[in-house]
Amino acid sequence: LAKTTQPISMDSYEGQEVNITCSHNNIATNDYITWYQQFPSQGPRFIIQGYKTKVTNEVASLFIPADRKSSTLSLPRVSLSDTAVYYCLVGDIASGGSYIPTFGRGTSLIVHP
Amino acid sequence: NAGVTQTPKFRVLKTGQSMTLLCAQDMNHEYMYWYRQDPGMGLRLIHYSVGEGTTAKGEVPDGYNVSRLKKQNFLLGLESAAPSQTSVYFCASSYTMGLAGLSYEQYFGPGTRLTVT
Repeated sequence: LAKTTQPISMDSYEGQEVNITCSHNNIATNDYITWYQQFPSQGPRFIIQGYKTKVTNEVASLFIPADRKSSTLSLPRVSLSDTAVYYCLVGDIASGGSYIPTFGRGTSLIVHP
Repeated sequence: NAGVTQTPKFRVLKTGQSMTLLCAQDMNHEYMYWYRQDPGMGLRLIHYSVGEGTTAKGEVPDGYNVSRLKKQNFLLGLESAAPSQTSVYFCASSYTMGLAGLSYEQYFGPGTRLTVT
């Protein structure tokens, strides 16, 4: 099973870089790693995805080591508005044998002034 | 474009009552999903659909049924609601479903908060 493990919570301060790591020891060979952001009372929002090495977009960077058993979401210079829950997502095998998206339990990031 | 919409936004049911949650998307996506979110549990997949007329079970399908009669709509039904089904329900849609190395970029609706007393 490609279950994911993330820290439950993290604290940071405005202007700092935040790194959130997700473990996915049994990730499938052809699976992507995807990260989502969720604010209270809203649905999750796609942030970034990658397969290997490093991916960067206007919001974040994603670092994936060669063995792909973990990934690290990096948020540069966070602000108060980055306070949210962050989820990593990989695939997993459902009881019926199909391959389904599986969210981790999420990391609650609180950014302090 | 409205993206993904869900109705209703809130609902209170008594144990044993039935209801249907409606999800609609205007992005012409093939794949649609229903999740439930409980405190500390993240999002868990209930059922999903890979196209019009098809549905499949996710991680926690018991007590729920779904239908995808039209490509743009995905309905989630509770035939006999139980207090354990008190949760926030999210619908999502995507172009692909993470198979064969494809991405899991999903677009989510705003959620339905359901309370069963």
